[in-house]
Amino acid sequence: DAGVIQSPRHEVTEMGQEVTLRCKPISGHNSLFWYRQTMMRGLELLIYFNNNVPIDDSGMPEDRFSAKMPNASFSTLKIQPSEPRDSAVYFCASSLFQGVRPPLHFGNGTRLTVT
Amino acid sequence: RKEVEQDPGPFNVPEGATVAFNCTYSNSASQSFFWYRQDCRKEPKLLMSVYSSGNEDGRFTAQLNRASQYISLLIRDSKLSDSATYLCVVNRGSNQGGKLIFGQGTELSVKP
Repeated sequence: DAGVIQSPRHEVTEMGQEVTLRCKPISGHNSLFWYRQTMMRGLELLIYFNNNVPIDDSGMPEDRFSAKMPNASFSTLKIQPSEPRDSAVYFCASSLFQGVRPPLHFGNGTRLTVT
Repeated sequence: RKEVEQDPGPFNVPEGATVAFNCTYSNSASQSFFWYRQDCRKEPKLLMSVYSSGNEDGRFTAQLNRASQYISLLIRDSKLSDSATYLCVVNRGSNQGGKLIFGQGTELSVKP
């Protein structure tokens, strides 16, 4: 079974550049979550979607971050402009929501370094 | 106060030892509870869900105390391969299932 697929695995960019992270959830899953992980703050929820609709984006740090889910099989997280403090591992996770929140299946993550 | 709190450890134990991790959560309305494990530089992976009556999966036992808003994980006969960070996870909110909030994790190191 194909799991959650994220790309790229690693991204190194300079401050001020636009960064786009991509995620393909598990086929049939209808919930998609974006998390960010750092040593200092642990795993932080940025945004989650149900049926391609953003439900809660209160964790998105600021207007520089945006996320879209144009269809059930694809989502993007964009940072524009990027800053060094955005350096982290970004995880995408998906699940099949049927009334009660089930556990999430995580992708391998994208390790972002902003210099 | 953090929504989900765990003792960060590290817990250093010998092989074969029994080790227990605790987790407290602040939202009394939470309905879903999980333990995940995360290996260094890898993604979190589900270890087990936590049910109200408590549940066991091999060497692993999870307990939930709703009154105290407390979750525990017990690992018996620990193996070297159990070395990892263990994350307590709780859902918050009811808006279409709510969101899953992760604790900071408890690091476990099992030594020969």
